[in-house]
Amino acid sequence: DVKVTQSSRYLVKRTGEKVFLECVQDMDHENMFWYRQDPGLGLRLIYFSYDVKMKEKGDIPEGYSVSREKKERFSLILESASTNQTSMYLCASKTLGEANEKLFFGSGTQLSVL
Amino acid sequence: GESVGLHLPTLSVQEGDNSIINCAYSNSASDYFIWYKQESGKGPQFIIDIRSNMDKRQGQRVTVLLNKTVKHLSLQIAATQPGDSAVYFCAEKTTNFGNEKLTFGTGTRLTIIP
Repeated sequence: DVKVTQSSRYLVKRTGEKVFLECVQDMDHENMFWYRQDPGLGLRLIYFSYDVKMKEKGDIPEGYSVSREKKERFSLILESASTNQTSMYLCASKTLGEANEKLFFGSGTQLSVL
Repeated sequence: GESVGLHLPTLSVQEGDNSIINCAYSNSASDYFIWYKQESGKGPQFIIDIRSNMDKRQGQRVTVLLNKTVKHLSLQIAATQPGDSAVYFCAEKTTNFGNEKLTFGTGTRLTIIP
């Protein structure tokens, strides 16, 4: 079965801390994505990556960065966490090709910034 | 004081009845659409997808209808069961500077009444 694993289910951090959210997929997918999910706003794309060491900004990249050193791992970094970054963070992956559009999601990390 | 946030559209359906969840999309050039189901505490799961060269596609107890004239998508769930209670998201594939991504709607909460 396809598996996207996010390292933490819940995280509580303080304002100003540097936060790392880790995501690993075991499907050899080329593409990986980070979304945040807020009530009434749906899923908004933060960053995505089409290949190792490659990254592209999504719709709301401000305050975030990413790292993709290995194909299976895509990390989201909050350089200096702020309270407005309290949210559910979802990682997803997909393979290449028009016949394979669907994203496979992890279970999410609920981040609270105090 | 009490905070006011955005609320998800909600739909309550009697167990065994059929349900229809609607979605309006924004980009007339979108050529691929997808529905996800998100249960409480889990990441979104793929339900069904459809390409713009089709009007209808059926899966197991689910049907997606696409009306390109009015940019409308619907998900029909037949003979609903308690396990169908979840938030349902539609998404369209959009292209931004040559990069393709899925853009999600805000979701609809479906509650199945036993």
